[in-house]
Amino acid sequence: KAGVTQTPRYLIKTRGQQVTLSCSPISGHRSVSWYQQTPGQGLQFLFEYFSETQRNKGNFPGRFSGRQFSNSRSEMNVSTLELGDSALYLCASSGNQNRNIQYFGAGTRLSVL
Amino acid sequence: ELKVEQNPLFLSMQEGKNYTIYCNYSTTSDRLYWYRQDPGKSLESLFVLLSNGAVKQEGRLMASLDTKARLSTLHITAAVHDLSATYFCAVGANAGGTSYGKLTFGQGTILTVHP
Repeated sequence: KAGVTQTPRYLIKTRGQQVTLSCSPISGHRSVSWYQQTPGQGLQFLFEYFSETQRNKGNFPGRFSGRQFSNSRSEMNVSTLELGDSALYLCASSGNQNRNIQYFGAGTRLSVL
Repeated sequence: ELKVEQNPLFLSMQEGKNYTIYCNYSTTSDRLYWYRQDPGKSLESLFVLLSNGAVKQEGRLMASLDTKARLSTLHITAAVHDLSATYFCAVGANAGGTSYGKLTFGQGTILTVHP
């Protein structure tokens, strides 16, 4: 069974631009979470979606937003990019059978110049 | 606010030696995770601990959970070079809620195993 797929894998943007990252969960999984990983702040929770509804949001500014579609695919958007948004963005999915196990994708590495 | 602290943050070991990584967390939780991350890669799930006293072992790694002390340990036995990586513990919100996807991570322990 295919794993969690994140696209694109690498992205270079300039300050002020906006970016959209995509995450396709494992087939049948309805829960998708997003995390930001930076050397300074470590791994931080961004949002969690379940059945197209945002269930939780981390402590990030409003420039960070997300959504989930009816097929459980999720996107996150960052507007007005700042240098500090350079990070590895990880997506994880979990299924109803065992909601405790989170499967992580390979991540999208965003560089903001 | 839930806080998760790991120590040590850096661990340099000789092959064949044993060592333990500690993970303390600040509020009640019944879900504790250990992940491994290789440079430039994503997170690989190692263990999921769901109850007080839970112990799980896989190869040279053994994880345990003491929910009363709010402490988990990851014990490394007879380290080999292939274990060199960064190890994270993460704590989930209690299962009674709906926040299964929200994990709070420790800072990570960078493990280097030398011949």
